[in-house]
Amino acid sequence: DSGVTQTPKHLITATGQRVTLRCSPRSGDLSVYWYQQSLDQGLQFLIHYYNGEERAKGNILERFSAQQFPDLHSELNLSSLELGDSALYFCASSPRGIAGSTDTQYFGPGTRLTVL
Amino acid sequence: AQKITQTQPGMFVQEKEAVTLDCTYDTSDPSYGLFWYKQPSSGEMIFLIYQGSYDQQNATEGRYSLNFQKARKSANLVISASQLGDSAMYFCAMREAVGKHSGGGADGLTFGKGTHLIIQP
Repeated sequence: DSGVTQTPKHLITATGQRVTLRCSPRSGDLSVYWYQQSLDQGLQFLIHYYNGEERAKGNILERFSAQQFPDLHSELNLSSLELGDSALYFCASSPRGIAGSTDTQYFGPGTRLTVL
Repeated sequence: AQKITQTQPGMFVQEKEAVTLDCTYDTSDPSYGLFWYKQPSSGEMIFLIYQGSYDQQNATEGRYSLNFQKARKSANLVISASQLGDSAMYFCAMREAVGKHSGGGADGLTFGKGTHLIIQP
């Protein structure tokens, strides 16, 4: 158990809908990262938050957004869902994650999203 | 250009043999970290081992060791005395210390496509 929690474990929804994925980092970790794993694209970095502030964006679509709250938990919002958004979404956390650091990221169990 | 290359899509290995999973990387940053993760069929991503670009010695963690050859830009994972429970996907990943995207923060990990390792009894 990495100490990172994600809810829900599975989510089935229809095209055009909006969903929210939730992540709680390990105790004491300030950084949260979101990743998408699909058969087509492999594992891709989406976005990074550090202590409530957005720090870096990867291959995140404009239909997707995220935030990190004062208690450091994070939510990833996916809207106007398409079939191609079906994937495993991971949250990871690390102690720091600021520039110059290469600290280890610990992954949550993931949320499997199926868009029908 | 791919930043992380794993050239072995799949491998079959006999139980108790040693396994080497290949990983080459591409970066111009002098400071970076290399990571290996294991993903069993259940789907979770399990951190195995880390090697920093300035580390003088190869990293080791129990049965896992990292054969780090900086000049060749390779970071191969070695699993000694393989076990049936080692059957999984293995991903090599890199994080450059200074992010290339917005905000000056460090970016996320860049992953290879993975190697599917199957341990046979």
